[in-house]
Amino acid sequence: EPEVTQTPSHQVTQMGQEVILRCVPISNHLYFYWYRQILGQKVEFLVSFYNNEISEKSEIFDDQFSVERPDGSNFTLKIRSTKLEDSAMYFCASSRENTEAFFGQGTRLTVV
Amino acid sequence: GQQLNQSPQSMFIQEGEDVSMNCTSSSIFNTWLWYKQDPGEGPVLLIALYKAGELTSNGRLTAQFGITRKDSFLNISASIPSDVGIYFCAGQVNYGGSQGNLIFGKGTKLSVKP
Repeated sequence: EPEVTQTPSHQVTQMGQEVILRCVPISNHLYFYWYRQILGQKVEFLVSFYNNEISEKSEIFDDQFSVERPDGSNFTLKIRSTKLEDSAMYFCASSRENTEAFFGQGTRLTVV
Repeated sequence: GQQLNQSPQSMFIQEGEDVSMNCTSSSIFNTWLWYKQDPGEGPVLLIALYKAGELTSNGRLTAQFGITRKDSFLNISASIPSDVGIYFCAGQVNYGGSQGNLIFGKGTKLSVKP
């Protein structure tokens, strides 16, 4: 069964460093998303991406964040200068048009 | 912004019990989804609801999309130990054919009674 895959599963980085989280969405999906979940809290929307551009973003997705689809298969989230409060699980998700979103296993980002 | 109120926050079950949880909102959604999350894993889709009033089952799970489009419930019948985990409701609004993002509830944590 096709699935969303994310790498790495765990990333530890020093405050102020840049990180890139990678995702391979399900191949025939058109909509791509990043969500994050701070430990013990609910899943929060960051950004959605469709037709090679951002279609919606939340207040959390400030200038430190960017997304890219560098080729036909990868979808990346970059955090330019990480802060301690960026520590969270980051989930990539994808969906076809007007259907449910499927989530990857997540990347646990720890900023020290 | 849009918010979902999910209840209960947590519940303890004994094997064989039926479980019920729900989500309400002051906003209307086009789609309601129910996900389950195990520790350290991503949310896994359980049931998707697309029409107001829709009642859908997936094995021992049954979910309904409220008539007002502002609420949904999830029932689990005859619970088993592997039902333990965190259950999230999520609502989605689609704008003129464009797919909106998911708004998640805070989750219902299902644990086994000692």
